[in-house]
Amino acid sequence: AQSVTQPDIHITVSEGASLELRCNYSYGATPYLFWYVQSPGQGLQLLLKYFSGDTLVQGIKGFEAEFKRSQSSFNLRKPSVHWSDAAEYFCAVGYTGGGNKLTFGTGTQLKVEL
Amino acid sequence: ETGVTQSPTHLIKTRGQQVTLRCSSQSGHNTVSWYQQALGQGPQFIFQYYREEENGRGNFPPRFSGLQFPNYSSELNVNALELDDSALYLCATGTDSYNEQFFGPGTRLTVL
Repeated sequence: AQSVTQPDIHITVSEGASLELRCNYSYGATPYLFWYVQSPGQGLQLLLKYFSGDTLVQGIKGFEAEFKRSQSSFNLRKPSVHWSDAAEYFCAVGYTGGGNKLTFGTGTQLKVEL
Repeated sequence: ETGVTQSPTHLIKTRGQQVTLRCSSQSGHNTVSWYQQALGQGPQFIFQYYREEENGRGNFPPRFSGLQFPNYSSELNVNALELDDSALYLCATGTDSYNEQFFGPGTRLTVL
């Protein structure tokens, strides 16, 4: 069965600093990988996704993620964080034949200091 | 913007009661998935419906059941509520492709 690990429960960065949120997955074949963001009291918004091809994926709000098969990782990055980026971030994995079922990590809470 | 709505927004029930949560998607979305998100956790897959039939289920007991209707709406029913059922319930609708799946804002269920 597939699984997702987000090792950092909380991360605090200063506004304008760079950001990297870690995600490791476990799945035997090539996964479909996603990053979602959730603001308090809100549903999930898709930031970006990887299905195949170029391993560096660009998303909305200036986010990008890189798929590294050898490390089973799909880390999310942003070069300069804005205060409005404070939220909870979830990495998720899907798989071929899975319909569109997703397995989520436990999330990383991002705090941005002004 | 996604066109996925859920009702009610918040709900309070007592242990042993039954609850029905609703999700409405836009035209053309033939799948709906339901997720349970406990406080401080990631969403957990409950089940998925495709063209009005259950098409995959997570590790949830039978007292969690669902329906999908031809008008693109869906229900999640939970019987014999337990305290641990307190969570945010999210629905996600789309096609049978990972390329198109949109989440609703969720229903916050509190079981006392």
